[in-house]
Amino acid sequence: AQTVTQSQPEMSVQEAETVTLSCTYDTSENNYYLFWYKQPPSRQMILVIRQEAYKQQNATENRFSVNFQKAAKSFSLKISDSQLGDTAMYFCASAEWTAGTASKLTFGTGTRLQVTL
Amino acid sequence: GAGVSQSPRYKVAKRGQDVALRCDPISGHVSLFWYQQALGQGPEFLTYFQNEAQLDKSGLPSDRFFAERPEGSVSTLKIQRTQQEDSAVYLCASSLVAPRYTPSADQPQHFGDGTRLSIL
Repeated sequence: AQTVTQSQPEMSVQEAETVTLSCTYDTSENNYYLFWYKQPPSRQMILVIRQEAYKQQNATENRFSVNFQKAAKSFSLKISDSQLGDTAMYFCASAEWTAGTASKLTFGTGTRLQVTL
Repeated sequence: GAGVSQSPRYKVAKRGQDVALRCDPISGHVSLFWYQQALGQGPEFLTYFQNEAQLDKSGLPSDRFFAERPEGSVSTLKIQRTQQEDSAVYLCASSLVAPRYTPSADQPQHFGDGTRLSIL
């Protein structure tokens, strides 16, 4: 079974600054994926960024990047040039890869990010 | 539509009533998931379909919860004899399946807006 831990219930950052959200996970599998999802008040889970565990290179997506430390089982999200629209709950999630099927996501408890003027 | 559609958006029921929540996945997505998200928590897996087959229902909390996807498209999550602890947001997600021989092509899940269920 996989577990995902987010130890920061709330974070705050000023507009245009950089913030890092922490996530640790535990899995016994070799093939797995890690994700960061954003959930605004509208409730829809929006995929921010994803990382394949077998890739050493950290994933980047515009202002969003991750620091993937496989040995430490750490997967943090860095948001650069924060914008007011980044205000949301952020969930870290993991999924095991299984050939021929899709994989259920295991989520952390979330970090509420507030971007201020 | 282009995304996952869930209805109703809000549902209020009295304790003991039965409810049915609908999910219309993205066209062509054979995989469909249901998650339950309690207030202030992350979503938790309930059940998974591949086409019409329910391959995993290990997350269903009790036998009062039942899900179906008879034609491999629209899915319904039914909760019988609702209790207050069933109050939560129920999220549906759909995706393609992973290729059989390589993990290189991840298949992200696309979520709907959820149904907020309140049991009085």
